[in-house]
This record gives sequence, structure tokens and C-alpha cells, in this order.
Amino acid sequence: SQTIHQWPATLVQPVGSPLSLECTVEGTSNPNLYWYRQAAGRGLQLLFYSVGIGQISSEVPQNLSASRPQDRQFILSSKKLLLSDSGFYLCASRDSYNEQFFGPGTRLTVL
Amino acid sequence: QKEVEQNSGPLSVPEGAIASLNCTYSDRVSQSFFWYRQYSGKSPELIMSIYSNGDKEDGRFTAQLNKASQYVSLLIRDSQPSDSATYLCAVRKGLSGGYNKLIFGAGTRLAVHP
Repeated sequence: SQTIHQWPATLVQPVGSPLSLECTVEGTSNPNLYWYRQAAGRGLQLLFYSVGIGQISSEVPQNLSASRPQDRQFILSSKKLLLSDSGFYLCASRDSYNEQFFGPGTRLTVL
Repeated sequence: QKEVEQNSGPLSVPEGAIASLNCTYSDRVSQSFFWYRQYSGKSPELIMSIYSNGDKEDGRFTAQLNKASQYVSLLIRDSQPSDSATYLCAVRKGLSGGYNKLIFGAGTRLAVHP
């Protein structure tokens, strides 16, 4: 079965600072990977998905970007954080049964 | 109209009762449906998937699907305080190239009181 790791677990950043969140997956190869954001009291919003190395699709235009430098590594970045970027960032992977599983998440607070 | 709608709750039920969580979706061609449980401060955990009309049971959980009514529900029998969480309904949506994504409802908060 798959295991999804995310780090850091929590992060407090000032407005205008850069961001890099990392997700790695164990126990599978060539997974479909997803980045979601969950703002306080709101539902899950899909930000990016990737079907392979270097292949990124964006769901929501914003100041975030994603990259997939290795098969089981998915990175979420920003050059300049906004207050509205605060939230709970979740990486997800799709398994062989076509079901999505989530990593533990990164809680980002932008001050 | 939102693609996936759920009552935000909270739904409050006494311990031992049946909790009934409901979800409606707008895309008539949807075929795959999922229920996730999310404890406060934690990531969502998949608890049920359902693909065919009717009921699917797994332990104390039963998922029910009615495609004609575009309605999916989750029943939790013998509710326990440990079931207190937010329950997210998700519907699979196809993307170009044969890939897919999940559309989530905003979730229903369930509170089971002793």
C-alpha cells in the first residue's frame, strides 16, 4: 500500500516570502499526484495534478506553482505568499483501484 | 449550483443512534462516489466508495446511491463519540486524456454525544 509523506507539518511565513512544500510517495510507481488546499471552514480545492514527471496541470490560476522533478515527488511553490494562501495543503495519490488517499498535510499560516 | 452539495451541520446524534449523512451532485453522468472522514486538524481518510445503485455495507457504515435522484448517503449505525468528525462527500469527474479528479462537498460535521 502507498504511504504519502508531507513536510513540513506546519509553517508560519510572512507575506511576500517564498514557499516550498514537498510531497513524496512510497509503495507505488508512476502515481497520479494531486495538491489540494483546504481553507478554514471550507471544502477541498484542487490546485494541481500530475500524471508523470514534468507533467503538471493547473486547476486554479493563482500565485502558486507545482513541479514534479521525480516520479514520486511533488512540490508546491510560491515566489511571494499572500495572506489568502493560508490553509491546509494536502497531497493526494491515486492507487491502483483508482481511489485517492491523502498525506498528513501541511498547515500554512501567512502573517 | 455547486457540483457536490452537503448540509454543513452540525448533525448531532446520541451515542448508539444511526447517523444519516446526505449528499447531492449535479453531473448526471457521474459514476463513482466516495465518503471521507476528517477529524479536526487531520487529513481526510477514505471510508467508503460506491459505484452502483443500491447499498454497500462495511461494518457499521452503509453507503447508499441513487443515480436517478443524483443522491448519495452514508449511514453510520451504533454511532460512537469517536465518529464525531466532518464527513466529506466526493464525486469523480473525468479530465482530458483519460485522467480524473474528485470534486468534494464542503462536508457535514457530525457530533455524537454520550
